Amino acid sequence: DQQVKQNSPSLSVQEGRISILNCDYTNSMFDYFLWYKKYPAEGPTFLISISSIKDKNEDGRFTVFLNKSAKHLSLHIVPSQPGDSAVYFCAASHSGAGSYQLTFGKGTKLSVIP
Amino acid sequence: NAGVTQTPKFQVLKTGQSMTLQCAQDMNHEYMSWYRQDPGMGLRLIHYSVGAGITDQGEVPNGYNVSRSTTEDFPLRLLSAAPSQTSVYFCASSPISGGSGTEAFFGQGTRLTVV
Repeated sequence: DQQVKQNSPSLSVQEGRISILNCDYTNSMFDYFLWYKKYPAEGPTFLISISSIKDKNEDGRFTVFLNKSAKHLSLHIVPSQPGDSAVYFCAASHSGAGSYQLTFGKGTKLSVIP
Repeated sequence: NAGVTQTPKFQVLKTGQSMTLQCAQDMNHEYMSWYRQDPGMGLRLIHYSVGAGITDQGEVPNGYNVSRSTTEDFPLRLLSAAPSQTSVYFCASSPISGGSGTEAFFGQGTRLTVV
């Protein structure tokens, strides 16, 4: 049973427009959420995170929104740039299991078209 | 600052062979883990360790062994390679926080092909 779901395998967006990547989770114990970015032939790199006590976290062009009642989070990239083209993984953890143990979604491949 | 270093980057094995994937981190992180990435499957946890001498199984542990003799090193051993173990393997490390959550740092990956 997949606890973190990214239902869109791919997304294409024009340069300069907004990219919205979605993630749903089923485990109500999750209290910390992260987004990772992965380029081909490289390891995933941390992008942004949010604690369950917040509903929004912003870092430059990247904003993560958390809707706990819907068990849904989204990553907004504004404006999108060609260098943002990568696979984005959503991940979650909960304090009870040790906040260091991450459960990942399957990823969404973002293509930003110049 | 090296971070998490994995060796080798590429490896081809014959079915039945054994090998060890190396992982080292220089950030003094307590927690280390191994993931495999397969097309359409995301990152799946194989084994993890919360400190030297302590290891545990993740989601897909069969066919793999780990040990943690030092804080820095966390090798992953394939006992008898099978084609189903063809994958990209990532090692990660993170500090064990007080409960507020923490990010994991990943190595560059090892692409393994079993023929």
